[in-house]
Amino acid sequence: AQKITQTQPGMFVQEKEAVTLDCTYDTSDPSYGLFWYKQPSSGEMIFLIYQGSYDQQNATEGRYSLNFQKARKSANLVISASQLGDSAMYFCAMRVSRGGGFKTIFGAGTRLFVKA
Amino acid sequence: DGGITQSPKYLFRKEGQNVTLSCEQNLNHDAMYWYRQDPGQGLRLIYYSQIVNDFQKGDIAEGYSVSREKKESFPLTVTSAQKNPTAFYLCASSTLGLAVLTDTQYFGPGTRLTVL
Repeated sequence: AQKITQTQPGMFVQEKEAVTLDCTYDTSDPSYGLFWYKQPSSGEMIFLIYQGSYDQQNATEGRYSLNFQKARKSANLVISASQLGDSAMYFCAMRVSRGGGFKTIFGAGTRLFVKA
Repeated sequence: DGGITQSPKYLFRKEGQNVTLSCEQNLNHDAMYWYRQDPGQGLRLIYYSQIVNDFQKGDIAEGYSVSREKKESFPLTVTSAQKNPTAFYLCASSTLGLAVLTDTQYFGPGTRLTVL
């Protein structure tokens, strides 16, 4: 079954510290894509970072990096130097093949709280 | 500024009524999507459209209908047949659609629908 699992319903981090949000996935597709989105309390989903299954290097975008461990089927998001504005829900998503095209599957999310 | 707009932000409906949620994008994206988000869950795909005048059912299409008469617009109607419509609805768009693995979806601010 194709599935995304985020096991941390909530996480706390001190401002200016780094935090890792866990994401594991399950698919038998040889090609797939992994995404992370941020959802602040306003509701909008904001795209953060993308990792392709064949990418040799871990993706990075500013303070965000994706720790991709293919053998373990994990795609953890690392946020460095946390800021108060990072407090939000974070969703991991996987893009896999379906019926001649692709579909995106979302995890249940992790709520991050950044403490001052 | 390019982006996706959804209206209204909050919507209240009496049981038995149909309501239509608006979604407009000026990103010149070909593909558009509707997702439903329930508390503690990830996003679930309702409908998607890859080109004008064409749309496909997602995983939870029952009780919903859509149209795609213009590239910029993809309204969602929640019909009285939808048994539990209270949820947060997110519209998204992307450049290339479900035929491409790396295609990234960009989201609007969402509409919160409550059935009274």
